[in-house]
Amino acid sequence: AQSVTQLGSHVSVSEGALVLLRCNYSSSVPPYLFWYVQYPNQGLQLLLKYTTGATLVKGINGFEAEFKKSETSFHLTKPSAHMSDAAEYFCAVSERRTGRRALTFGSGTRLQVQP
Amino acid sequence: SQTIHQWPATLVQPVGSPLSLECTVEGTSNPNLYWYRQAAGRGLQLLFYSVGIGQISSEVPQNLSASRPQDRQFILSSKKLLLSDSGFYLCAWNGDRRREQYFGPGTRLTVT
Repeated sequence: AQSVTQLGSHVSVSEGALVLLRCNYSSSVPPYLFWYVQYPNQGLQLLLKYTTGATLVKGINGFEAEFKKSETSFHLTKPSAHMSDAAEYFCAVSERRTGRRALTFGSGTRLQVQP
Repeated sequence: SQTIHQWPATLVQPVGSPLSLECTVEGTSNPNLYWYRQAAGRGLQLLFYSVGIGQISSEVPQNLSASRPQDRQFILSSKKLLLSDSGFYLCAWNGDRRREQYFGPGTRLTVT
């Protein structure tokens, strides 16, 4: 069964600093990969996705992620953090081999941005 | 464009009372529908998903049930709530051509 590991339940950066949120998956076949953001008491919003093709994927709000098959990773980055980026971020995967369209989520990383 | 609605937004219920949470999707037909629960400080747990009217798959044995009486309506129910049912309940949908899911605003359930 596939699984998702997000290293670091809390990450704190200064405003303007690089944001790096880590995600590793466990699957014999590279899955579809997603990053979502959740603001307090709200639903999840899709930031970006990797399905096929270019391994560097750009998303909304200046975020991007790179799929690295050899490392089974899909880390999320942003060159310069804004205060508005403070939220919880979830990495998720969907199996590629089956028709099952449910997502498996990581446990989430809460990003704090210090002024 | 598609939108997804959930209600109520917040709910406080005593232990042993029934539950009904509703989710509806607009602007699409025959969506795949999902119920997730998010406990405090934890990730998302898939509870149920549905690929069509009357078709429900349960992921975790629990005190909850789901129904899909109409194409774009998904209902989460319980006959008797437990304290452990407290959490943030999220409904989501996707189409057959896309793997990404789109989430509703959620329902905050507190069982007292």
